[in-house]
Amino acid sequence: QQPVQSPQAVILREGEDAVINCSSSKALYSVHWYRQKHGEAPVFLMILLKGGEQKGHEKISASFNEKKQQSSLYLTASQLSYSGTYFCGTAGAGSYQLTFGKGTKLSVIP
Amino acid sequence: NAGVTQTPKFQVLKTGQSMTLQCAQDMNHEYMSWYRQDPGMGLRLIHYSVGAGITDQGEVPNGYNVSRSTTEDFPLRLLSAAPSQTSVYFCASSAGYGSGGELFFGEGSRLTVL
Repeated sequence: QQPVQSPQAVILREGEDAVINCSSSKALYSVHWYRQKHGEAPVFLMILLKGGEQKGHEKISASFNEKKQQSSLYLTASQLSYSGTYFCGTAGAGSYQLTFGKGTKLSVIP
Repeated sequence: NAGVTQTPKFQVLKTGQSMTLQCAQDMNHEYMSWYRQDPGMGLRLIHYSVGAGITDQGEVPNGYNVSRSTTEDFPLRLLSAAPSQTSVYFCASSAGYGSGGELFFGEGSRLTVL
């Protein structure tokens, strides 16, 4: 079952902040975040594991609410290079399957 | 630093034809997977493997076969192509068995079935 992402799309001006949310109906072990630019492959941003461990890029921040099975990705002081489609992927404990949401399209304009 | 290599990058097939999408990784990852990406649908898991000789189905396995004879290679076979299989296909590998580690994606293979 795909996680649900919100919003579906957002337009920002350079320097503004954005939050992208990811929600699942099942108990989660991990939440991944990827960014994909048009015509390219998805690129890893961050992984959040149950228990609080996080791995990812220093300039990206995210949260994982284990009780609510929700995660949020925080993009601060946005730059033009942040434009792209952001995907969250979720996996349950003991699962080898990473299930992705439908994506959030972020456009940063000057 | 090749990472994950997919071939071909583009392919046009006629309905009913068969073909194999190739995927190779040089990072010694045990976990490999295939996703398809359609507009507005995100990435959907087709098949995955946790090591040589071990494969399993994902969300949308119908019409596809896989095998894993070596750690490096994970080919995806379309047995009898259908227009519904027109998509962009991504192969990905991970050191963390999919759920616990970063996925490294190939550049994608764009398949059109007429």
